[in-house]
Amino acid sequence: LAKTTQPISMDSYEGQEVNITCSHNNIATNDYITWYQQFPSQGPRFIIQGYKTKVTNEVASLFIPADRKSSTLSLPRVSLSDTAVYYCLVGDPVTGGGNKLTFGTGTQLKVEL
Amino acid sequence: ETGVTQSPTHLIKTRGQQVTLRCSSQSGHNTVSWYQQALGQGPQFIFQYYREEENGRGNFPPRFSGLQFPNYSSELNVNALELDDSALYLCASSLWRSGRGTEAFFGQGTRLTVV
Repeated sequence: LAKTTQPISMDSYEGQEVNITCSHNNIATNDYITWYQQFPSQGPRFIIQGYKTKVTNEVASLFIPADRKSSTLSLPRVSLSDTAVYYCLVGDPVTGGGNKLTFGTGTQLKVEL
Repeated sequence: ETGVTQSPTHLIKTRGQQVTLRCSSQSGHNTVSWYQQALGQGPQFIFQYYREEENGRGNFPPRFSGLQFPNYSSELNVNALELDDSALYLCASSLWRSGRGTEAFFGQGTRLTVV
């Protein structure tokens, strides 16, 4: 399974754009990149998933360069409620069935006024 | 709300005892997985069930076992509890269809404390 590396923590202020980068040098051809958000004492929540280039949904964008060895989660105009741990995961949704997930320690994002 | 519900929300057990945790999957989902999350760590995959059979297991001893029922609800059983089993236990469900899985939806978890 491809290992991911991401910053342990990040600080930001309300209204700013936050970019969290994840390194996954050993990503396999069939692997997708998925990001989850987790609040204290709650289960992780799916944010976004992508394979290459750029993916955007109503809450975030995911940028993946051509070599796919890294990815960047972009959160536009963060608010206090975005304070959470963000996990970057790499895996094959076919063989993994979307559910055999390997989490790292994640990035603790703290948003202040 | 993800539609995945877990019970109980909190539980205190004594070392050596056995515990059963329950999970009700999101409607329409046929795959369920269990994760253990120790304080300050990311969730660790325990095992996955698809159509009532285990089809993947993480690095956990046999005293961690599970069941998936015809209605796709699930149980996690842990025997001979140890102090290190204290953690948040998370259940996640997804739909496996046409050879591909959808994203996983997690429940709120069960906080197990072993004393």
